[in-house]
Amino acid sequence: GDSVTQMKGPVTLSEEAFLTINCTYTATGYPSLFWYVQYPGEGLQLLLKATKADDKGSNKGFEATYRKETTSFHLEKGSVQVSDSAVYFCALNYGQNFVFGPGTRLSVLP
Amino acid sequence: NAGVTQTPKFQVLKTGQSMTLQCAQDMNHEYMSWYRQDPGMGLRLIHYSVGAGITDQGEVPNGYNVSRSTTEDFPLRLLSAAPSQTSVYFCASTRQGANGYTFGSGTRLTVV
Repeated sequence: GDSVTQMKGPVTLSEEAFLTINCTYTATGYPSLFWYVQYPGEGLQLLLKATKADDKGSNKGFEATYRKETTSFHLEKGSVQVSDSAVYFCALNYGQNFVFGPGTRLSVLP
Repeated sequence: NAGVTQTPKFQVLKTGQSMTLQCAQDMNHEYMSWYRQDPGMGLRLIHYSVGAGITDQGEVPNGYNVSRSTTEDFPLRLLSAAPSQTSVYFCASTRQGANGYTFGSGTRLTVV
């Protein structure tokens, strides 16, 4: 079945460091791909999305590119801030099926 | 536009009690789902609905019931609460899967 794999956390970075959170997927068709962010005590918020191969989603300085050849959708940010500390979820959608990765906790230290 | 509204935000139940977690959306979304989130387990799908009058089971449906009498509302019922149901519950909705989900702010449930 469809699945999403994310790098295990927690990830701890200093402010202004470069961030990469790896995400790979397995799907029978061509899914849409998403990154969600969850701040402490809150629900998940859609961060960015890509609906077809080679699309780049971007928002708030974060970006991810849909790579069909490597079935990946890695999240990147050039310079993280303390306010980026949260849990990040990679997800896919195909038809009515949503699959979420286990989440990666990011802590950014001042 | 309120989005997805969940009530209550916090609840403590005794083992064996029943209760209903409310979820309402005002975006005319056809597709709604309930997830539970447990430490180290990510999100697990409990039940989902593709429209009024249509519901189906997800990954972990045991101990939960749902109904969808209107497009707006999708309540989750715990029939006889157990400590294993202690979790954070999220309701989510979407008009079309490729748009992504809109999530509620969650209900933190403790069963003692």
